Amino acid sequence: GQNIDQPTEMTATEGAIVQINCTYQTSGFNGLFWYQQHAAEAPTFLSYNVLDGLEEKGRFSSFLSRSKGYSYLLLKELQMKDSASYLCASLDSNYQLIWGAGTKLIIKP
Amino acid sequence: KAGVTQTPRYLIKTRGQQVTLSCSPISGHRSVSWYQQTPGQGLQFLFEYFSETQRNKGNFPGRFSGRQFSNSRSEMNVSTLELGDSALYLCASSFGTEGDIQYFGAGTRLSVL
Repeated sequence: GQNIDQPTEMTATEGAIVQINCTYQTSGFNGLFWYQQHAAEAPTFLSYNVLDGLEEKGRFSSFLSRSKGYSYLLLKELQMKDSASYLCASLDSNYQLIWGAGTKLIIKP
Repeated sequence: KAGVTQTPRYLIKTRGQQVTLSCSPISGHRSVSWYQQTPGQGLQFLFEYFSETQRNKGNFPGRFSGRQFSNSRSEMNVSTLELGDSALYLCASSFGTEGDIQYFGAGTRLSVL
């Protein structure tokens, strides 16, 4: 079967760094997406990794290891506005997105 | 550039009724995907339409159907509503090529009483 696992909830402190992990098992693999979703809002695109390694985009970075079926999203210099759910999704062999349940990130002052 | 627009934003229906949700994609996008989001379940894929044809379908019962018009706007219909259909329904649009970024609307929150 197809499965995406990510922690349900994480808490971090303003100004700190947090890493949100995602492991995936999908039939085929064509890339890994991360989206951010604030409460009662639309998910918004953060990153797309198709090759192994780290991609940095400002305060956010995303890492992929295809051999391990593993990705993480790294958020630096946390701000209160980063409080949101972070969704991991794998693009399978049919180019269909398989989504994790999301990680709710709580930032404390 | 306008984003993805979903209407209505909120709906309250009773069991047995049917409902139609609408999604207007970003101008130039030809693909529209529909998802159901419930707490703790993540996004569940319903179907994808591309150029008025259903290109992909998830594992939902036949009560869930959709269509796409020539201007790429899409509608989703749920017949014979059940309590378990209460959820946030999201649509996402893209150009429709493989590995495209999907852009989401704010969703329609459906409550079935």
